[in-house]
Amino acid sequence: EVQLVQSGAELKKPGESLSISCKASGYSFSGYWIGWVRQTPGKGLEWMGIIYPGDSDIRYSPSFQGQVKISADKSLTTAYLQWSSLRASDSAIYYCARHHGLGRSSGLYSSFDFWGQGTLVTVSS
Amino acid sequence: EIVMTQSPATLSVSPGEGATLSCRASQSVNTNLAWYQQKPGQAPRLLIYGASTRATGIPARVSGSGSGTEFTLTISGLQSEDFAVYYCQQYNDWPRTFGQGTKVDFK
Repeated sequence: EVQLVQSGAELKKPGESLSISCKASGYSFSGYWIGWVRQTPGKGLEWMGIIYPGDSDIRYSPSFQGQVKISADKSLTTAYLQWSSLRASDSAIYYCARHHGLGRSSGLYSSFDFWGQGTLVTVSS
Repeated sequence: EIVMTQSPATLSVSPGEGATLSCRASQSVNTNLAWYQQKPGQAPRLLIYGASTRATGIPARVSGSGSGTEFTLTISGLQSEDFAVYYCQQYNDWPRTFGQGTKVDFK
């Protein structure tokens, strides 16, 4: 059974750093793109970026490039989303999700078929 | 980036009736289009990919159609579990983008 289990809710202050995680199980972690999606009441769902754990190829949305870092640890079958300096506007629910297609090339043009439960990040002074 | 526009924003439907949701892309996405359902407090759930292929476990009363810039999600005989928010997403171009959602609620 494919499962993506995300780390728990976070309450942070502006300027602090943060890393949230997404532990994958039940499938070949290296063979599927995995990505991050932000959800806020005002902007709905926003695609942030994806990573192919097999070779750590990463594709960022221009809106998030330079603002966050996406990474993956194959040995831990875990994907990460990191911030070096949080802002209040980063407050949101963050979901990890796996691409439907298997493989680096064939999976690139693919929807998200399995999702994590979401991580609520609150940034407030 | 490709802008995905969903209509209507809210659709009020009675149980047992049908619902038709629209999604328009600002430029062609071929059939690289997915539909998701989201209920309060839950993650989105994949319903349709490739514009018309149902995901695993999705009932036949849920169907998708369209190509290029115009897409439709049709749900026939709405059941209580169908009242939710529905999002379309294109995965043809970078960055991938979502529509703003259509809420299907009780009439």
